[in-house]
Amino acid sequence: AQSVTQPDIHITVSEGASLELRCNYSYGATPYLFWYVQSPGQGLQLLLKYFSGDTLVQGIKGFEAEFKRSQSSFNLRKPSVHWSDAAEYFCAVGAKEYGNKLVFGAGTILRVKS
Amino acid sequence: DAGVIQSPRHEVTEMGQEVTLRCKPISGHNSLFWYRQTMMRGLELLIYFNNNVPIDDSGMPEDRFSAKMPNASFSTLKIQPSEPRDSAVYFCASHWGSVTDTQYFGPGTRLTVL
Repeated sequence: AQSVTQPDIHITVSEGASLELRCNYSYGATPYLFWYVQSPGQGLQLLLKYFSGDTLVQGIKGFEAEFKRSQSSFNLRKPSVHWSDAAEYFCAVGAKEYGNKLVFGAGTILRVKS
Repeated sequence: DAGVIQSPRHEVTEMGQEVTLRCKPISGHNSLFWYRQTMMRGLELLIYFNNNVPIDDSGMPEDRFSAKMPNASFSTLKIQPSEPRDSAVYFCASHWGSVTDTQYFGPGTRLTVL
């Protein structure tokens, strides 16, 4: 069965520091990978997605992610974190073989200290 | 576009009562998803519709839960009778096309069952 693992429940970084959030997936099919962000009291918003082509994808708000098939990973990065990036981040995976649905990871809560 | 609209935003009810959550997807989208978010279980897909037809309801926890989509612009999720363990945030999301397309989430309904 498909699964997504986000090993870090909480991460704290200083404003201006770099960020990397980890995501590993287990999927029998060719995966489509997504990162979503959820601010407190709000729904999820797409940051970026990968389904083919260049394995380094750029998203909104200065985020990027790299798909590494050999490591079954899709880690999210940002070179310099802003206080407004404090939120919860979800990695998700889907595949055409499983219809339109996505499987979400447990999420990583990002705290930014000034 | 107004985005995905959910109502009510907050619902407090007593155990045993019927609860109906409502969702209006983005106009033109042909897939609609209902999710439940809790601290213990994270974000779970309950059911999704494609062209108003339920495609996968394997995530619906039990017979107390039911969902309908009578037309392309409206869906309901009903819990009858409600129980305290149903307390969660329920999200509706929609998209157009396939699994590679972005899911747009509503703001959620926070349900508290006393």
